[in-house]
Amino acid sequence: GAVVSQHPSRVICKSGTSVKIECRSLDFQATTMFWYRQFPKQSLMLMATSNEGSKATYEQGVEKDKFLINHASLTLSTLTVTSAHPEDSSFYICSARDSQRFYTDTQYFGPGTRLTVL
Amino acid sequence: GEDVEQSLFLSVREGDSSVINCTYTDSSSTYLYWYKQEPGAGLQLLTYIFSNMDMKQDQRLTVLLNKKDKHLSLRIADTQTGDSAIYFCAERPYRDDKIIFGKGTRLHILP
Repeated sequence: GAVVSQHPSRVICKSGTSVKIECRSLDFQATTMFWYRQFPKQSLMLMATSNEGSKATYEQGVEKDKFLINHASLTLSTLTVTSAHPEDSSFYICSARDSQRFYTDTQYFGPGTRLTVL
Repeated sequence: GEDVEQSLFLSVREGDSSVINCTYTDSSSTYLYWYKQEPGAGLQLLTYIFSNMDMKQDQRLTVLLNKKDKHLSLRIADTQTGDSAIYFCAERPYRDDKIIFGKGTRLHILP
C-alpha cells in the first residue's frame, strides 16, 4: 500500500515551454501533497504544500506564478513549470500524506521527475 | 531554527553493521524519520520513531533516539550491497506540516 506515482519520469523540453508534472496517490487519499526539488548531491528543498480544494502554500523564495500547483482531487496534484529555463532543470519529487493515518503522519514519496530544459 | 545535520559519507564492509548518525535542533519534533534514496529514484520511507520512544527495531534496522541530545541514529545490521544508497534523516516539528530533511548520508559498501 501507500504508493505514489509521478508522471512523466523524465522530460526534456526547450527553453520557454511549460511542463506539467502529475503526482498521484494510487491507493489512498491525500488531502495534502508536497512538492520538492532536489539538486545533484543535495537534500530535498520543499517548494510548496498543496492542499486539496485550496490554494497551495509556497515556501519563501519560490515563485508561485512560475510553479503552478493544482490539487483538484484527493488523489492528484499537478505542478506546472511555466516558461521553463535551463536553471529550472532539476529532479522534482512529490509526496503525499495519507489522510487516514493521522497518527503516523507519514509522507509517501513519488519516484521523481527529471526535468531537463535545453 | 530548524536544522538537521548528518555526515555526508559512510563506507562499510559488506556484512558489517552500518551506523548513520543525525542531529536535529527542534526539540518540539514529534516525528523523526529515516528515508532511503537509490540513484535516480524517489525517497522510500524506511522507518520512523515518535519522540516519546527511545528505540525502535524493525528486522535489520534499529533506530535509537536520544531526545536530550537531539541525536538520532540508524543501525543497519549485516549490511548488504543492496543497502548502498543515500539515507536521509528528517524531523517534523510539532504542529507543522513540513518535514525538514538533512543533506543525506551516502552509504558505500565495500566488498
